[in-house]
Amino acid sequence: DQQVKQNSPSLSVQEGRISILNCDYTNSMFDYFLWYKKYPAEGPTFLISISSIKDKNEDGRFTVFLNKSAKHLSLHIVPSQPGDSAVYFCAASAPSGTYKYIFGTGTRLKVLA
Amino acid sequence: ETGVTQSPTHLIKTRGQQVTLRCSSQSGHNTVSWYQQALGQGPQFIFQYYREEENGRGNFPPRFSGLQFPNYSSELNVNALELDDSALYLCASSPWGAVYEQYFGPGTRLTVT
Repeated sequence: DQQVKQNSPSLSVQEGRISILNCDYTNSMFDYFLWYKKYPAEGPTFLISISSIKDKNEDGRFTVFLNKSAKHLSLHIVPSQPGDSAVYFCAASAPSGTYKYIFGTGTRLKVLA
Repeated sequence: ETGVTQSPTHLIKTRGQQVTLRCSSQSGHNTVSWYQQALGQGPQFIFQYYREEENGRGNFPPRFSGLQFPNYSSELNVNALELDDSALYLCASSPWGAVYEQYFGPGTRLTVT
């Protein structure tokens, strides 16, 4: 049972444009969400997070939106840069004291120069 | 500040053998989580250690075990290796009190033949 789904395995965007990566989840108990970026041969790098009590969090070029009623979150990157080309994972956690993160399968973003 | 390090980088083992993977957490971090990432999948939570005790476990059999040492470094041990254990094993460290912040190492690529 895939509790966190990233239905787009890949996405190509022109440099300078907006990249929108989507993530859906099924467990209404999830209360904390994160986005990670992963380059080849490196571990995932934390990008941005959002608590379920918020619907938006912004950090520079990165904004995460959370729609709890739709169980959907999205990551917006504006403007997109070639260095943003990587695999992006969304992850979610339920309140258990462990912060056991459930990851999606990832979306490969390619930003074209 | 030193980040999370893992050793070895790559490892090849035979089915039925045992393996030990090592992780040094980031300075000041006292919580370590281990994840397994199969090809084309997102990381899957194995277990988490805090103050040398297991603090949560995912859906992995008992042949996956771990240790955390007083200096907060950690080991992942896998007994009776199976072909499906071939994956990238990721370690993430967190400061307690901010355990939602998980900083990943580069991973150990395990191949079981």
